[in-house]
Amino acid sequence: GAVVSQHPSWVICKSGTSVKIECRSLDFQATTMFWYRQFPKQSLMLMATSNEGSKATYEQGVEKDKFLINHASLTLSTLTVTSAHPEDSSFYICSATVYYGYTFGSGTRLTVV
Amino acid sequence: AQRVTQPEKLLSVFKGAPVELKCNYSYSGSPELFWYVQYSRQRLQLLLRHISRESIKGFTADLNKGETSFHLKKPFAQEEDSAMYYCALSEGSARQLTFGSGTQLTVLP
Repeated sequence: GAVVSQHPSWVICKSGTSVKIECRSLDFQATTMFWYRQFPKQSLMLMATSNEGSKATYEQGVEKDKFLINHASLTLSTLTVTSAHPEDSSFYICSATVYYGYTFGSGTRLTVV
Repeated sequence: AQRVTQPEKLLSVFKGAPVELKCNYSYSGSPELFWYVQYSRQRLQLLLRHISRESIKGFTADLNKGETSFHLKKPFAQEEDSAMYYCALSEGSARQLTFGSGTQLTVLP
């Protein structure tokens, strides 16, 4: 099946620094990728939709200058959390549309200290 | 307004008992609904989509447009079914997935 590889699986960073999370589609081309955020014991909340070669579409309330999304190729989308703060600590998950629905990355646990 | 509602955060059943995880949705068009499962420390996996109408791991789900429900059922729960289950609705031109809040199923021995 279609696989999305997400890295890193966890990262700890200092407050004020930036962190980049990568999602690669391994055996298919991902025209559209979605980025979700999941707080502990809560559901996945869609942050943005990224389309290859164009600007991402952000959901209401998501700061696009803080969460930079780049989808420069059909196999790679990145999410950069800029000037991270402790409240950005969360679990971030990417997803791509495939013929049978959606496939998900394994997630990135971000802890900002 | 919440588009996907899973009323039970936690659900426990004994092994061999029937299980039903409830999901109600709100959508004006023709919905595309999914059930996803997340086992401990694993990524989200597709369990069912209403379009395919197939049974996976003994689970079935029927779309009831009159009741706007897509409940997940299994006649005989197994311990390995213990996991987090999410109902999700695909909507929008980009087919974004909207997730319910999830139900943590625990199957007791």
